[in-house]
Amino acid sequence: NAGVTQTPKFQVLKTGQSMTLQCAQDMNHNSMYWYRQDPGMGLRLIYYSASEGTTDKGEVPNGYNVSRLNKREFSLRLESAAPSQTSVYFCASILLGQNQPQHFGDGTRLSIL
Amino acid sequence: KQEVTQIPAALSVPEGENLVLNCSFTDSAIYNLQWFRQDPGKGLTSLLLIQSSQREQTSGRLNASLDKSSGRSTLYIAASQPGDSATYLCAVRPGRGSTLGRLYFGRGTQLTVWP
Repeated sequence: NAGVTQTPKFQVLKTGQSMTLQCAQDMNHNSMYWYRQDPGMGLRLIYYSASEGTTDKGEVPNGYNVSRLNKREFSLRLESAAPSQTSVYFCASILLGQNQPQHFGDGTRLSIL
Repeated sequence: KQEVTQIPAALSVPEGENLVLNCSFTDSAIYNLQWFRQDPGKGLTSLLLIQSSQREQTSGRLNASLDKSSGRSTLYIAASQPGDSATYLCAVRPGRGSTLGRLYFGRGTQLTVWP
């Protein structure tokens, strides 16, 4: 059982480049989330998708877009990368309506030069 | 907005000690509280989840308590081992609001257990 899978694990970009971070879960969860983790700070929510076909902003959405491709997959896109977006990005999923733990991927470590 | 604080930020202890990590949150209207472990360069591993109606949860040498009315949770680690060295994160899931299922995280306690 793979759980939550994120690709790529590492990426270096130049300012202004674009890229998409991929996330897939195989636990039949309905809700998925993107967080970023910066040194000395807690994880902060970028975007979330409560169910297939819906997406909403979290607390730090500027500079990002998301797509809930299907129930399994939730991607995060940086249209024009900026050094301030250097961070570790985590995807998570949960079955809403059940009092269960949220499951996290191993993260994507992104550096923008 | 929910704010989560963890104390201490870092802790270094010899093997065998019993430890208490603290977490406080500002809004007591929570759905549940989760404790995670994060190893360097790795993702988050869920350790314990306490529902809002529960007072504590136990798993092996770990025990987490919840006092919702005072906005506090503690993670107790018994007989610590070098393998317990990691960052421990506390996260709260709100009981109300539109951001369904999202977690609010503390900054973590970085634990080092030396032999």
